[in-house]
Amino acid sequence: DTAVSQTPKYLVTQMGNDKSIKCEQNLGHDTMYWYKQDSKKFLKIMFSYNNKELIINETVPNRFSPKSPDKAHLNLHINSLELGDSAVYFCASSQDVRDNSPLHFGNGTRLTVT
Amino acid sequence: AQKVTQAQTEISVVEKEDVTLDCVYETRDTTYYLFWYKQPPSGELVFLIRRNSFDEQNEISGRYSWNFQKSTSSFNFTITASQVVDSAVYFCALKDNDYKLSFGAGTTVTVRA
Repeated sequence: DTAVSQTPKYLVTQMGNDKSIKCEQNLGHDTMYWYKQDSKKFLKIMFSYNNKELIINETVPNRFSPKSPDKAHLNLHINSLELGDSAVYFCASSQDVRDNSPLHFGNGTRLTVT
Repeated sequence: AQKVTQAQTEISVVEKEDVTLDCVYETRDTTYYLFWYKQPPSGELVFLIRRNSFDEQNEISGRYSWNFQKSTSSFNFTITASQVVDSAVYFCALKDNDYKLSFGAGTTVTVRA
């Protein structure tokens, strides 16, 4: 049973399109995250939700909008995709953002914008 | 400001050699947590270890060992008798009171047979 699952695994799309990445965790965790890994492997946090409430919102363009319908799901919607959005996006979860428990990551979604 | 510095971009060793990955961190908080993650070529991120700022005991897990030194703000990772399967990108990360897990730039380890 996959703990943190994200779909799709690969996403190829053209500039200007809108796309979504879905993430679900079955660990019973309260906190979920989106991280972006660029071509140089650098990992940077984008958003974090704790029990459906947005608690971390880094300086991400407002074309990126996270949505958490419940604490087991955190989806990422991206409008008007640009070439620079090409990256691997990782979803993650942890028990609670305040307890410093380790993050459990999904397998990533490789987004390619052409 | 960069909170976690991994100065080694790439390390290449021959199987059975030991390899040490350096990690230097920066924080003003007295309570913080340090982590190491492994990212093999398949791409997933695998949690290896967590250490809190009050526990300076070194840890050994099989061929992996970690050396935490608050005096030098370092949390180094050693792989003993490396194997080809150890080839991966290794990330050091810090979580302090801003609740964000901040990653270093990663060190790519290549173990040659």
